[in-house]
Amino acid sequence: ILNVEQSPQSLHVQEGDSTNFTCSFPSSNFYALHWYRWETAKSPEALFVMTLNGDEKKKGRISATLNTKEGYSYLYIKGSQPEDSATYLCAFLGTALIFGKGTTLSVSS
Amino acid sequence: NAGVTQTPKFRVLKTGQSMTLLCAQDMNHEYMYWYRQDPGMGLRLIHYSVGEGTTAKGEVPDGYNVSRLKKQNFLLGLESAAPSQTSVYFCASVSAANTGELFFGEGSRLTVL
Repeated sequence: ILNVEQSPQSLHVQEGDSTNFTCSFPSSNFYALHWYRWETAKSPEALFVMTLNGDEKKKGRISATLNTKEGYSYLYIKGSQPEDSATYLCAFLGTALIFGKGTTLSVSS
Repeated sequence: NAGVTQTPKFRVLKTGQSMTLLCAQDMNHEYMYWYRQDPGMGLRLIHYSVGEGTTAKGEVPDGYNVSRLKKQNFLLGLESAAPSQTSVYFCASVSAANTGELFFGEGSRLTVL
């Protein structure tokens, strides 16, 4: 089974800061890359499903890019707010949907 | 439209007991997954199914069995529970994972004493 790496493992930012995380995945047998937002005591919620190299997606202050040739995706949050505090998961779809361990974001007001 | 429903939501077992977790979805999804969540480990794939009557092993399949006899249901079984299987279990489904997002159940917290 494949390795999906996320970095950093955790980070703490101040309200208003912009930040980004990385998801690294195998560059072969790629079908899709998913991003999810996961708050404590809740179920993960989908942010993006990306399939094409060079894809860029945006939802409000959150955006993501995809590079399938080199095997990475970036998730950006512009002007972080306390309600953005959560764990952000990426998942690589090859033969199965494999998740990384997540990046836990904490935003202080 | 209930989405993805997991039962039970909580269960305490003794070592060696058996149990089955049920995942039911009403969205006519082809793909269903069972993950376990442990501190610092994210979501790890136990088993998955790409359609009725088919199952496949994920990252951590040992100690678990699954069945997908009906398209809407994906069962996860523990034949002889061990303390290492104490975890929160999430079921998820999707119509097509290459284009669609996963819909998750609310999770089932299992404690094995």
